Amino acid sequence: ETGVTQTPRHLVMGMTNKKSLKCEQHLGHNAMYWYKQSAKKPLELMFVYSLEERVENNSVPSRFSPECPNSSHLFLHLHTLQPEDSALYLCASSLSPTGPSTDTQYFGPGTRLTVL
Amino acid sequence: QKEVEQNSGPLSVPEGAIASLNCTYSDRGSQSFFWYRQYSGKSPELIMFIYSNGDKEDGRFTAQLNKASQYVSLLIRDSQPSDSATYLCAVGGSQGNLIFGKGTKLSVKP
Repeated sequence: ETGVTQTPRHLVMGMTNKKSLKCEQHLGHNAMYWYKQSAKKPLELMFVYSLEERVENNSVPSRFSPECPNSSHLFLHLHTLQPEDSALYLCASSLSPTGPSTDTQYFGPGTRLTVL
Repeated sequence: QKEVEQNSGPLSVPEGAIASLNCTYSDRGSQSFFWYRQYSGKSPELIMFIYSNGDKEDGRFTAQLNKASQYVSLLIRDSQPSDSATYLCAVGGSQGNLIFGKGTKLSVKP
């Protein structure tokens, strides 16, 4: 496989469930990101990992918990979510470990999350 | 609050025409500017990036940057129905972050 992959592509969960989103990049990149995309709102950066260390947490509620075990994999652990957390969750990666501002980001296909 | 503003559209142009997409940003220290295209139900894909004032051309696409006016645009020449999508402007902020606009929906009519 090439590029950035995400699983699952669709997820429906109740507010009391615990689930995890997975992202894998096959590009040899050093930085990985989680974004949230809600209807009629801009892409919102949630987390940034550079060389497997979290470098940014954009005031995300603690019910979202990221994990980056290595430079190719990124997880987003979900627990006790709210209906307003329903959105498209996008993973992205970029080559440079120095930060996202100047480096092209490549996106995965996203996970469409619905919280009931 | 650093912001990136785009007209949400929809912008409708006939096939073969030039589509002009505009974006303004608030962070004067921004260094990098990206245009992404997002088809409905798909993830964003990079079209172009630009770092310097002026024009940058790639095939039918031209990005234009004016840092003094804090303005970046994307021109699509000879628009095709397959160009119909939402175009996202993204700006690299002075604090190392990347900020996206809400996107402009483009519709190219055959």
